[in-house]
Amino acid sequence: EDQVTQSPEALRLQEGESSSLNCSYTVSGLRGLFWYRQDPGKGPEFLFTLYSAGEEKEKERLKATLTKKESFLHITAPKPEDSATYLCAVRNGNQGGKLIFGQGTELSVKP
Amino acid sequence: GAGVSQTPSNKVTEKGKYVELRCDPISGHTALYWYRQSLGQGPEFLIYFQGTGAADDSGLPNDRFFAVRPEGSVSTLKIQRTERGDSAVYLCASSAGQGYGYTFGSGTRLTVV
Repeated sequence: EDQVTQSPEALRLQEGESSSLNCSYTVSGLRGLFWYRQDPGKGPEFLFTLYSAGEEKEKERLKATLTKKESFLHITAPKPEDSATYLCAVRNGNQGGKLIFGQGTELSVKP
Repeated sequence: GAGVSQTPSNKVTEKGKYVELRCDPISGHTALYWYRQSLGQGPEFLIYFQGTGAADDSGLPNDRFFAVRPEGSVSTLKIQRTERGDSAVYLCASSAGQGYGYTFGSGTRLTVV
């Protein structure tokens, strides 16, 4: 069964304190691993899609990496505006566009 | 429109009542998805439309839940005989096709009292 597990559930950082969020997955025939950001009361906002092990993508202070079993979202020198819940999701090769989400990591960055 | 629009943004209903939740996708997006998100959890898949037809409805929890997309644009999620356990945020997303990324709406927060 396809499964996504994110850790930690919550992370508190001081402004400028770099860290990483983990997404472990099992999926039959990965057709994309997705990272989303979700602010309170809003829908998830797309950040990255990764398709194969070794792939990396960057956007501002965020960098996503992918291996065959997990993905990391690295946050370099975070700012308070980076506070949000970060969601990881996978799409497999047999189920169309359906995404399977993890439970998310709630990130809080204090000034 | 510029984004995915969901109405209403909030809905409070009594147990046993019928509700309809509307999703207006990005113009031209052929794929439309419904998800349900409970507090502290990630979104959970409900149903996926490609055009007018439901390509995958495997996530609908039971036969009280039904969704339509009659003209391949706006979709309505219908819940009969609502139960307190149906309380959640219902999210809609659209994409240009199966291989493309999603754009989510802000969701409808459903509260069954």
